[in-house]
Amino acid sequence: EPEVTQTPSHQVTQMGQEVILRCVPISNHLYFYWYRQILGQKVEFLVSFYNNEISEKSEIFDDQFSVERPDGSNFTLKIRSTKLEDSAMYFCASSEWGGGYGYTFGSGTRLTVV
Amino acid sequence: KQEVTQIPAALSVPEGENLVLNCSFTDSAIYNLQWFRQDPGKGLTSLLLIQSSQREQTSGRLNASLDKSSGRSTLYIAASQPGDSATYLCAVDTGANSKLTFGKGITLSVRP
Repeated sequence: EPEVTQTPSHQVTQMGQEVILRCVPISNHLYFYWYRQILGQKVEFLVSFYNNEISEKSEIFDDQFSVERPDGSNFTLKIRSTKLEDSAMYFCASSEWGGGYGYTFGSGTRLTVV
Repeated sequence: KQEVTQIPAALSVPEGENLVLNCSFTDSAIYNLQWFRQDPGKGLTSLLLIQSSQREQTSGRLNASLDKSSGRSTLYIAASQPGDSATYLCAVDTGANSKLTFGKGITLSVRP
């Protein structure tokens, strides 16, 4: 079964550093997403991306965050200057048709900011 | 704003028991509803997707139902096994820009 692949699985970074989380969505999917889950809390929507542009972003997704599809297969989330409160599990997801057939999630990147 | 609630937060049952996990949502104008399983520290595995026009979906020992008008969904697990121990998340898609709103999940423990 096709998978969404995320790397790295765990990243530790110092406060103020930039991090890039990487995702390879399912190849025929057109919609891409980032979600995050702070330990013990709900999974929260960050951003959706379609046709090479952001289609929606949450209030969490401020100027410190950016997304990019640098080539035909990768989808990245960049956090410019990490804060302690950015520590969370970050999930990438993709969907074939805007969620009409559901969403497939990756296994996540656990980001720890120290 | 869509809110998704899953109660109770945790459930412990003996092996072999049939059980029902509940999910409620505040805005009935949903596009679909998806149940996920999450093992500790791991990703989200999709279990079942119910479109807004459907009443239920089945996969193996799992059956999910949807009552849009009352804002409720249930996940029925038949003959539970220790391997079913995990957190079960309910998520609704309101269709607006295609994003999911998640409940906090129900952590299930099936005792041998």
